[in-house]
Amino acid sequence: GENVEQHPSTLSVQEGDSAVIKCTYSDSASNYFPWYKQELGKRPQLIIDIRSNVGEKKDQRIAVTLNKTAKHFSLHITETQPEDSAVYFCAPRESGAGSYQLTFGKGTKLSVIP
Amino acid sequence: IAGITQAPTSQILAAGRRMTLRCTQDMRHNAMYWYRQDLGLGLRLIHYSNTAGTTGKGEVPDGYSVSRANTDDFPLTLASAVPSQTSVYFCASSEGGLAGGHTGELFFGEGSRLTVL
Repeated sequence: GENVEQHPSTLSVQEGDSAVIKCTYSDSASNYFPWYKQELGKRPQLIIDIRSNVGEKKDQRIAVTLNKTAKHFSLHITETQPEDSAVYFCAPRESGAGSYQLTFGKGTKLSVIP
Repeated sequence: IAGITQAPTSQILAAGRRMTLRCTQDMRHNAMYWYRQDLGLGLRLIHYSNTAGTTGKGEVPDGYSVSRANTDDFPLTLASAVPSQTSVYFCASSEGGLAGGHTGELFFGEGSRLTVL
């Protein structure tokens, strides 16, 4: 199965600074790379995703970059705000395989200090 | 409101008791999942279902069973609860596999907090 690691496990940044979270995976067949955000006491929700035919995708202050050769992808948050404080999870997967065993990383707790 | 509903939201249970967590979705999604979330361990897959009538084991299936009699419902049963099953349980659904133009997005329920004493 897929081996997924996230780094760092915790991250504290000053409001307005940037934050980067990295996800490494083992399955070279993975071709879908999402990031989920889970606020305290809430359910995880998709915030951005990328497919392997694209190297980078941006949505306002968040972006995801992919390095398929090195088997890692990263979440970038610019101009961080207190509402960005949450736990972020990556969950790389392979499409079309008929397998639905999604493996999540253990999460990165981001704290944005006002 | 369309989405995925779990019940109960919270439950305290004596060890050895049987418990079923309910999950219903109204999005006509083919795939459904059960995850447990424990501090420091992220989200771990218990069981999943690709489509109605089929189920599969995830990373941590022992002590749990599921059924998928129809598209909408995916209950999770603990036959004889043990304290190590104390956790927050999330049900999720997705359109299906990523082929055929489906998105890969998982939609989660609000979670069921289970405490086994």
